[in-house]
Amino acid sequence: EEQLVESGGGLVQPGKSLRLSCAASGFAFDDYAMHWVRQVPGKGLEWVSGISWNSNIIGYAESVKGRFTISRDNAKNSLHLQMNSLRAEDTALYFCAKDFRPLTTVTSADAFDVWGQGTKVTVSS
Amino acid sequence: EIVLTQSPGTLSLSPGERATLSCRASQYVTSGHFAWYQQKPGQAPRLLIFDASTRATGIPVRFSGSGSGTDFTLTISRLEPEDTAIYYCQQHYNPPLTFGGGTKVEI
Repeated sequence: EEQLVESGGGLVQPGKSLRLSCAASGFAFDDYAMHWVRQVPGKGLEWVSGISWNSNIIGYAESVKGRFTISRDNAKNSLHLQMNSLRAEDTALYFCAKDFRPLTTVTSADAFDVWGQGTKVTVSS
Repeated sequence: EIVLTQSPGTLSLSPGERATLSCRASQYVTSGHFAWYQQKPGQAPRLLIFDASTRATGIPVRFSGSGSGTDFTLTISRLEPEDTAIYYCQQHYNPPLTFGGGTKVEI
C-alpha cells in the first residue's frame, strides 16, 4: 500500500524555524515528484512547494519563497520542508503528496494521487 | 498565477439528485493538467478525476469530469449520502500549482 506519513509539526514562535518530514512507503519514491500542500483550518488548499523526482526542478509558492526549502533523500524515501522565519499566517495543516505518474517535474506536474494525513504547524507567541 | 474560481460555494441537494460543480480558470489550462479532489472532514483530499475526465482508481462511475480550456465541470450523477464533502479543482499546468476555493456539497 502506498503511504505517506508526515512528522515534525508543532507550536513555534514567530521568526523561528521548523523542519517537516514525510516518510514514504509502498512505491518507488525516487521515481516521483513530491509536493507540500497546506490548509488553514476551515479554509482551502494551498500548494506550498514541489520537487522533481531527481531534485533538479523545485518550485515554491510566492508566499514562502526565500523562507522555505524543500528537499528529498531518495536513499531514505523521505521528503523534507525546512521552514524558516515563520509567521502567524504559516499556521496550517501541512500535507505531503505524491504525483500520480512517474518522472514528472514541478514545471510539468501531475495530479496528486497519494496524500499523507498531515502535520499541524502553529506559529504563535 | 492561474486563479481557479469554483461555483457554487455550497450545493444542498437530496440523495439521488444530480450535482454539477463548476471550475473556471483565469487562463488556459490543458486537460491533461486538471484534476478534481474530494475532501471529507478530518481527512486528506482524495483524487477523484485526473486529466479533466478520467476517474482515479476506485472512484465510482457516478463521478464524471468534463471541460477544456478555461471551463471544467465535475458531475455527480446520483448523489449518495457519503458524497457529502468539499470538492476542489486543481491545475498543475503552470507553477505555482493552484486549487480552487472549493464547493461544499451537502446531502
